[in-house]
Amino acid sequence: AQSVAQPEDQVNVAEGNPLTVKCTYSVSGNPYLFWYVQYPNRGLQFLLKYITGDNLVKGSYGFEAEFNKSQTSFHLKKPSALVSDSALYFCAVRPSGGSYIPTFGRGTSLIVHP
Amino acid sequence: SAVISQKPSRDICQRGTSLTIQCQVDSQVTMMFWYRQQPGQSLTLIATANQGSEATYESGFVIDKFPISRPNLTFSTLTVSNMSPEDSSIYLCSLQWQPDNEQFFGPGTRLTVL
Repeated sequence: AQSVAQPEDQVNVAEGNPLTVKCTYSVSGNPYLFWYVQYPNRGLQFLLKYITGDNLVKGSYGFEAEFNKSQTSFHLKKPSALVSDSALYFCAVRPSGGSYIPTFGRGTSLIVHP
Repeated sequence: SAVISQKPSRDICQRGTSLTIQCQVDSQVTMMFWYRQQPGQSLTLIATANQGSEATYESGFVIDKFPISRPNLTFSTLTVSNMSPEDSSIYLCSLQWQPDNEQFFGPGTRLTVL
């Protein structure tokens, strides 16, 4: 079975500072990893994914994530946070073979303070 | 990507009644899904909506409670039947173009059951 852990319910960061939202996973075989963002009263939007290739993946709105196989992690990062980045962030994983349905983490609320 | 719309965007319903949620996509897609997002929790897959056949339900979800229709490749409905306050949640439809791709989500339907 696959699972995702987002250990922080909430992350607070000052505008202009770097941000990290943590994600660790468990899956059989090679993982496909995804990050989604949910702004208030809106559906989820895709940010980025790791399928294969470079461990550092760049996505929308200046976000990036690094796949670390030994630590089974896929942390989301941004060098300089904006107030508009405040939202709910979900990590998701699925195995490269088998079911194409991902398992989502519980979500991390990111709050960027002016 | 695709434009995904859901109706209604929100509703307040009485216990014991049913609500049908519509999901419309602006292009044809094979894989469509229905998720539930309960307050403070992650996304839970209810079922895969299969065009021309019965939906495939996940463990804990049954057709009598959540009947799904998929009459064509651009439209699906989810009915929440005989509602109770525990059904209060956000219901999201999503689509996936290919098994290796990310999912795209509708804006969601916020349901409150009194």
